[in-house]
Amino acid sequence: GAGVSQSPSNKVTEKGKDVELRCDPISGHTALYWYRQRLGQGLEFLIYFQGNSAPDKSGLPSDRFSAERTGESVSTLTIQRTQQEDSAVYLCASSLTVGRGHEQYFGPGTRLTVT
Amino acid sequence: GQQVMQIPQYQHVQEGEDFTTYCNSSTTLSNIQWYKQRPGGHPVFLIQLVKSGEVKKQKRLTFQFGEAKKNSSLHITATQTTDVGTYFCADPSNDYKLSFGAGTTVTVRA
Repeated sequence: GAGVSQSPSNKVTEKGKDVELRCDPISGHTALYWYRQRLGQGLEFLIYFQGNSAPDKSGLPSDRFSAERTGESVSTLTIQRTQQEDSAVYLCASSLTVGRGHEQYFGPGTRLTVT
Repeated sequence: GQQVMQIPQYQHVQEGEDFTTYCNSSTTLSNIQWYKQRPGGHPVFLIQLVKSGEVKKQKRLTFQFGEAKKNSSLHITATQTTDVGTYFCADPSNDYKLSFGAGTTVTVRA
């Protein structure tokens, strides 16, 4: 079946501009996660959704970052006033539900480059 | 979340040889997951270990969970070029987020 999809696959933007990244989770998965991966580094947790609510936003790096999810499906991660340090691959994952031990399925990521 | 440490950070392996990568935690883990990320790709789930001392095999890959559930290892036998990538262990002890190790990046010399 269809996996997690993300768009765009690549985004180049100028410093100071806003960007919006999109994630389509696997159908029926109620849990959705956003991670950031800088070049050559591990995955940094940003935020998760159970349904449409985001109980924990503490992983978001600054108030320039926000995320929302509608209809228990699509999620968007918005970065306002982008900075060069925001350059990274942003990965979205989904799982059947939250709870320890549930396998997370990752999307291909959006590579963001801030010039 | 808990911190999981992975060693080595880089592993250069001659094709056909074996190697092991390790994942260590200072605290007891409820379970541990392993993911593989190919160059330019995204993490893909490999396996989850739950029981103390558990050993699971996937073809040439052997995963082990320590008796104290504070460490885990991934052993690959007869390394092939298809094994290239970064192997992450992840701690799912938090109910909703995975705490990933920094990964072991594997390169293979043909």
